[in-house]
Amino acid sequence: GENVEQHPSTLSVQEGDSAVIKCTYSDSASNYFPWYKQELGKGPQLIIDIRSNVGEKKDQRIAVTLNKTAKHFSLHITETQPEDSAVYFCAASDSGGYQKVTFGTGTKLQVIP
Amino acid sequence: GAVVSQHPSWVICKSGTSVKIECRSLDFQATTMFWYRQFPKQSLMLMATSNEGSKATYEQGVEKDKFLINHASLTLSTLTVTSAHPEDSSFYICSARDLSRQETQYFGPGTRLLVL
Repeated sequence: GENVEQHPSTLSVQEGDSAVIKCTYSDSASNYFPWYKQELGKGPQLIIDIRSNVGEKKDQRIAVTLNKTAKHFSLHITETQPEDSAVYFCAASDSGGYQKVTFGTGTKLQVIP
Repeated sequence: GAVVSQHPSWVICKSGTSVKIECRSLDFQATTMFWYRQFPKQSLMLMATSNEGSKATYEQGVEKDKFLINHASLTLSTLTVTSAHPEDSSFYICSARDLSRQETQYFGPGTRLLVL
């Protein structure tokens, strides 16, 4: 099955700086890569996603890049704000019929005011 | 749009009792819903895939007789934890796949279960 690795496990940045979270996946057939933000005690919230036919996608301060050859993808958050503090999960979609999503181990981001 | 609700948001029960958790897609139809379990400071682990009108597909190591899943309509799936034990205490989260947006899954707010 799919295996998704995520780094770093924790990340502290000063407000206004950029944050980068990196993930690798194992199944070359995976073709959908969502990113989720989870605040304490809440369910994950989809913040951005990318499909394998695209190398980069941007939405305001958030961008995701995908390198299919190397099987890695990254989340970039620019001009970080305290409200960006949360746990971020990358994920890769199973290529099977039900398109199960395999999650990375999570990155706890702390934005210091 | 794309809102998923869960009920209850938290529940405390005695060991040996059963607990039912509901997952609803409020503004879209979902033929497929997923149930996850998350322990503190850990990632989400898929328990089962719930398909409307058919039996759920369980992940390896998840007891289907202990975690009963019913997906009776395109907007509702239920997870029943039977004969709950303290080790079942966890954060249970469902997600629903929006057919109109291909693979996109939207997550519910989660249900915190504490078994005494």
